Amino acid sequence: SQKIEQNSEALNIQEGKTATLTCNYTNYSPAYLQWYRQDPGRGPVFLLLIRENEKEKRKERLKVTFDTTLKQSLFHITASQPADSATYLCALDINAGNMLTFGGGTRLMVKP
Amino acid sequence: DAGVTQSPTHLIKTRGQQVTLRCSPKSGHDTVSWYQQALGQGPQFIFQYYEEEERQRGNFPDRFSGHQFPNYSSELNVNALLLGDSALYLCASTVPGQWETQYFGPGTRLLVL
Repeated sequence: SQKIEQNSEALNIQEGKTATLTCNYTNYSPAYLQWYRQDPGRGPVFLLLIRENEKEKRKERLKVTFDTTLKQSLFHITASQPADSATYLCALDINAGNMLTFGGGTRLMVKP
Repeated sequence: DAGVTQSPTHLIKTRGQQVTLRCSPKSGHDTVSWYQQALGQGPQFIFQYYEEEERQRGNFPDRFSGHQFPNYSSELNVNALLLGDSALYLCASTVPGQWETQYFGPGTRLLVL
């Protein structure tokens, strides 16, 4: 069956450190992968999109890598801050029509 | 510039009832997608509307139906509510021709008792 897996356990890190979140998928060949941030009781907010022909993309303190051979994306937040605490979701468009399929999300807690 | 808006914010219904949720897309957006997010899980795609027609549909029963109006706003209807329909219902809109980036509303929290 088709799956998108994110670590369901919360990730706790100290302020200033780099947070690394993982998204693994099986049985897909997505044209692109997206990362979203979701705060409690709010809708997801788009952060980054990386295409299948891109290995890495950066935006300010955020970096995403995409390995289509390993079927894995890594999401990094450098110099993390308590305000980065949220749930981070990865999503794939599995049939090129914007029917996004989301992973379960990983909750990040950045402690001061 | 208002973002995606949804109403109501919260709703309580009983099993067997019907519910209608509403979404107004971000200004300039013409495509609306609906997602269901159960507690502790990622959003699940229900369907997408474009040019007032259902363009794509996820794995949801026919009890879930929708509509898009000429002003691009949209409704999600759920009939014969089940306890398992309790969730956060999210609406997302996209810019014409830029379907990749979706802008989500704050959601409607539905509780079915």
